[in-house]
Amino acid sequence: GAVVSQHPSWVICKSGTSVKIECRSLDFQATTMFWYRQFPKQSLMLMATSNEGSKATYEQGVEKDKFLINHASLTLSTLTVTSAHPEDSSFYICSARPVAREVYNEQFFGPGTRLTVL
Amino acid sequence: GNSVTQMEGPVTLSEEAFLTINCTYTATGYPSLFWYVQYPGEGLQLLLKATKADDKGSNKGFEATYRKETTSFHLEKGSVQVSDSAVYFCALSDFSSGSARQLTFGSGTQLTVLP
Repeated sequence: GAVVSQHPSWVICKSGTSVKIECRSLDFQATTMFWYRQFPKQSLMLMATSNEGSKATYEQGVEKDKFLINHASLTLSTLTVTSAHPEDSSFYICSARPVAREVYNEQFFGPGTRLTVL
Repeated sequence: GNSVTQMEGPVTLSEEAFLTINCTYTATGYPSLFWYVQYPGEGLQLLLKATKADDKGSNKGFEATYRKETTSFHLEKGSVQVSDSAVYFCALSDFSSGSARQLTFGSGTQLTVLP
């Protein structure tokens, strides 16, 4: 149980285009999902906290107009990288926190999405 | 604020060797502690966790004990295998702060086990 999927697993796009990444909790409901960015050989950097039915909370330095987050249901959150540029190339990882596990902040992570912007 | 400090890698061991990866933390409240493992090209998987002082988390031969007095949560395994090669992240979540209840990650430790 507690499986989180991401789609696509990798994507290559041209500079200036937009890319949407989906994060789904397959067998549990999650009122809160998190989006992270990971650079090579580095730790995860939290970008934003996505709350079902409300606006996402962005970390300092993360442009909310560039990284659009939508959490329309208890099992789906999407991250859209708008007008992508080569510096946006990275590994994007989402996590979901089951409603029943909120007390311990136990998060389950997706497999990640490799974005390459040419 | 909260922070996690991990032993810097990379760590290279021979198969069946003993593993310790040190992790210490700073937290304003009473955190839960986690170890996550990331295999190449994949997302993070929860390896084990401990939610209060003196708890021992264990999974797949790995263990870590929540030591409040030393603010540590060191990861150990008695006999590593080649398949354990991965990056290991120590993390904490502090609930007493009442904020977003985010996970704070350490920098990660790359482990390579040689046959």
